[in-house]
Amino acid sequence: EAEVAQSPRYKITEKSQAVAFWCDPISGHATLYWYRQILGQGPELLVQFQDESVVDDSQLPKDRFSAERLKGVDSTLKIQPAELGDSAMYLCASSYGLEGAEQYFGPGTRLTVT
Amino acid sequence: SQQGEEDPQALSIQEGENATMNCSYKTSINNLQWYRQNSGRGLVHLILIRSNEREKHSGRLRVTLDTSKKSSSLLITASRAADTASYFCATSLSGSRLTFGEGTQLTVNP
Repeated sequence: EAEVAQSPRYKITEKSQAVAFWCDPISGHATLYWYRQILGQGPELLVQFQDESVVDDSQLPKDRFSAERLKGVDSTLKIQPAELGDSAMYLCASSYGLEGAEQYFGPGTRLTVT
Repeated sequence: SQQGEEDPQALSIQEGENATMNCSYKTSINNLQWYRQNSGRGLVHLILIRSNEREKHSGRLRVTLDTSKKSSSLLITASRAADTASYFCATSLSGSRLTFGEGTQLTVNP
């Protein structure tokens, strides 16, 4: 069964350093999402792509976060500089369609900022 | 911002019992979805119910939706220890953006 791949699974970094996460969605899924999940809470959408275009980045802290999906396939989420409050699980998901389709999630990257 | 609110926050039951979780939301929706998350892992889609549907079944899962009360419930029958996880409801308002609730932590004791 096809899965969403993410790497790394765990990342420890010092504050003020740069960190990057990678996601490879299920083949054929045009829509890709990055979520941040703080421990004990539900996921919160950071950015949504439709192919290579950003559809929604209203909750992305653009002063330090950036995301790209250059060829409309895999995607990278970057944080520079990392802050202590960025410690969280970063989840990538993909879906086939736009209209409230079910989303398939990757295993996530657990980020710890020290 | 979280639109959905799950109730209870935590639920502990014995194997074989039924588990019911509730979700309330604030605005009109296109559909409502339930997801499961095992500790430290990604979310797994369980079931999707559209705004014009009232009830849906999938295996041991039964979901109801009451749009007049802006609420949904997830029933897991004959629970198993493997059902131990966090359960989230997520609402779709427009496009495919999902807004998740805070989740219910279900513990099924053997």
